[in-house]
Parts: sequence; C-alpha cells; structure tokens
Amino acid sequence: DIQLTQSPSFLSASVGDRVTITCRASQGISSYLAWYQQKPGKAPKLLIYAASTLQSGVPSRFSGSGSGTEFTLTISSLQPEDFATYYCQQLNSYSWTFGQGTKVEIK
Amino acid sequence: QVQLVQSGAEVKKPGASVKVSCKASGYTFTSYYMHWVRQAPGQGLEWMGIINPSGGSTSYAQKFQGRVTMTRDTSTSTVYMELSSLRSEDTAVYYCARDDPYCSGGSCYLSNDYWGQGTLVTVSS
Repeated sequence: DIQLTQSPSFLSASVGDRVTITCRASQGISSYLAWYQQKPGKAPKLLIYAASTLQSGVPSRFSGSGSGTEFTLTISSLQPEDFATYYCQQLNSYSWTFGQGTKVEIK
Repeated sequence: QVQLVQSGAEVKKPGASVKVSCKASGYTFTSYYMHWVRQAPGQGLEWMGIINPSGGSTSYAQKFQGRVTMTRDTSTSTVYMELSSLRSEDTAVYYCARDDPYCSGGSCYLSNDYWGQGTLVTVSS
C-alpha cells in the first residue's frame, strides 16, 4: 500500500498567517491526490482534488500543488473558520489511503 | 441537492456484526461509486473499501478483507456496509462518501465530494 506522511502533525498559527502543509507519498502517485478539511464532530470536506484543482465553493485562499511524491496545501491568509484538521488522500490505485492529519490550532 | 443519509448509532458486543446503511438522493445513484471510511475516536481517517452501485462490484482494503461486505439496493438508492467479528478496536464513526471522478487529458482524478453524516458504532461488552 502507498503510505502518505503529512508534516507537521500539529501547527499553531495566527489569523492572517500563511500556512503550508506537506504530504509525502511513499511512491509516485502523479497528481492523484486530494485534500480535506475536518472540523470536530463533522464529516470531512473536500478542498482540493487532482492535487491542485480547487473544489467548487472553496475559498481561493486555499491552494494545492505538487506531483509525484511531494504535495503541499497552502492557506494564504488563515481565517478563524480555517482552524481544523487537514488530511491528504491518495487515489492512485484500488487501495486508497489518507495521511495521518495536520491539526491547525490558534496561536 | 446531493444527500447521503446514514443509519443511526449502534452498540454491539464483541464478536457481533453491524450493518450500516447510506441512502443517496439528489443524483443518479448508479453513476457514482461509493466509498466507506471510518474514524476511531481521536484518530485519523481510514479507508475501508469501495462499491460500484451499478454492478455491485467491490474492492476492500486488505485490512478488512474477510470481515467487511459492501452491498447496494438500487431500488432504494442505498448502499450498505457490514462488518463482522467486531472487536473493541472497531469502535469508530463510519462514513459513506461519494466518489467523484474528474477526467482530463486521458486521466481520471478521484475524490470524495459528498459525505454522509457518519454513524457511530460502539463495540463494548
């Protein structure tokens, strides 16, 4: 199975900060990567698919980049509603996997 | 609008089975694959498997092979996930999530665009 490793696992930031989360795959997955945001007690919400395509309705401060084995999710200016846990997900084969998550908390 | 509505919380004893349902509406049920994902308390997301509602074919994560069965009922636009031989480690929120393919340049990129509200399954003696 393809493993995904996110870094950092925990991030403390302030409103207005630029935040970057990295996701590394154990083998190349082209652009078969998605990013999700999850708030406590809620289902995950799709932010980015195909590594860099913004899901409809998601604010433009979110962006994704990368291909192969290294990917990033960037929030250009952190807003109060962005404090949550973020997951990457690879969909390259019939055994999808998630990263372990990055929790973004208020500094 | 697309909706995935799951069945209610369950409490099961170790060794028992649980069957969770996910009723889809607002789109053509047989046109989109469905995933099942679970999340143990305080833990991350874990992919369990996928079902094609059109033909019923499935693919399961190796970890759950032999214990999980995913089925569908096209007459009610409902998919089911049954997990057997339950143990305490199976205590989790179980989600269904629609597979949304985006195809471009000869490749199709998948993601889960709609999710059910989650079903808490508690395994306790």
